[in-house]
Parts: sequence; structure tokens; C-alpha cells
Amino acid sequence: SQKIEQNSEALNIQEGKTATLTCNYTNYSPAYLQWYRQDPGRGPVFLLLIRENEKEKRKERLKVTFDTTLKQSLFHITASQPADSATYLCALPPTGTASKLTFGTGTRLQVTL
Amino acid sequence: GAGVSQSPSNKVTEKGKDVELRCDPISGHTALYWYRQSLGQGLEFLIYFQGNSAPDKSGLPSDRFSAERTGGSVSTLTIQRTQQEDSAVYLCASSRDREEPQHFGDGTRLSIL
Repeated sequence: SQKIEQNSEALNIQEGKTATLTCNYTNYSPAYLQWYRQDPGRGPVFLLLIRENEKEKRKERLKVTFDTTLKQSLFHITASQPADSATYLCALPPTGTASKLTFGTGTRLQVTL
Repeated sequence: GAGVSQSPSNKVTEKGKDVELRCDPISGHTALYWYRQSLGQGLEFLIYFQGNSAPDKSGLPSDRFSAERTGGSVSTLTIQRTQQEDSAVYLCASSRDREEPQHFGDGTRLSIL
């Protein structure tokens, strides 16, 4: 079955630096991959979707890459701010007749002054 | 409002009682999902509704859990004879269809004493 892995350890970076989060997957060739942000006590919020034929996608300070050979997606936040501190989840789409997205466990990002 | 609404936001109940959790999806969204998230854990899929099709109940952990969606809109998740291990945050999400990004509510935090 498909498996999705995110670094479970928190990522601590200094304000102004670029944060890079990793999402690896196995036993799957997804047509796209999604990234969500979750703040404590809140539901996840959709950020970006990248398709298999897109190597890179940007939205303001966010950049996502998708390497189907490495089976990996990288999520970058440039010029990070303390307000970017949150847990970031990647998600794979449903397979076949399955209905559900498969979510990673998320990586917690902490941006300090 | 324009987002997914869940009620109650918090529920504390005694072991053995039944609980009902409500989800109001975004108007026009045909897909509706329930997830469970335990402290520090990832999202656990519970059930999926799509239009008038039979729901995908493959994620329900036991027959104490059931859900219904009336009129293709509001959904209720019912947990009978609650156990302490049912304590978690229950999240609802909706989307235009299963391939579209999901919009989450802020969840119901359920505590079983």
C-alpha cells in the first residue's frame, strides 16, 4: 500500500531564513500532491497542489517541488516569519476506487526571532 | 459563514455515553469526510460521503461509530457507548469532489472521562 513519510522531528529555523520540509512516498505514482498547514487547535488549511507534470509551483513566499523519480516533494518557505510557525502536512490523492487522501503525519516548523 | 462548521467545539462526556458530532459543509460541496486526530498524531480517515453514493465506511474503527449525511448537506457522526480511547479531535472536511482540495472545520475536541 502507499506510504507517505514526513520528518517527524520539529524544524527550528531563524526568522528570515528559508525553511525546507520534505515529503517522501513509496509504492505509488501520484498524479498530484497537496500541502496543508495546521495551526494548534485548528483544522488543516490547503496551501498548494502540484501535479506530476509540474516540477515547481510558487505562491507568494511558498515554493513546492515534485520529483517523481525520487518520489519526493519539497516545500520551501522563503524569508520565514514567526507567523509561519505551524505543522505542515503533505497528502497523496486517492488511488483507484479509494476515496481518501493519504496524509503524512506532518512536520512542525518553529520560526524564531 | 463560508467555511466548514463543526459543533460542538468541545465535548466532555462520561464513558459509556453516546455522543453526536455535527458538520455543516461548504454549500455545494458534494464530498464530505470525517477524520480523527489524536494528540500529536496524523489524520485518521473515518468515513467519506460523495453525493448520493453509498458512503465509504472503511475507516470506522468499530461498529460503535456511525455517520449519516442528510439531504447531501449536514452530516452527523455518532459514537455509541464511548470509551476513553475515543478521546481525540474529530475533524470534518468537504470538497467539490474527491480530487479537489479539502476544506476543514476546526474540529470537535472529544474528551471521555
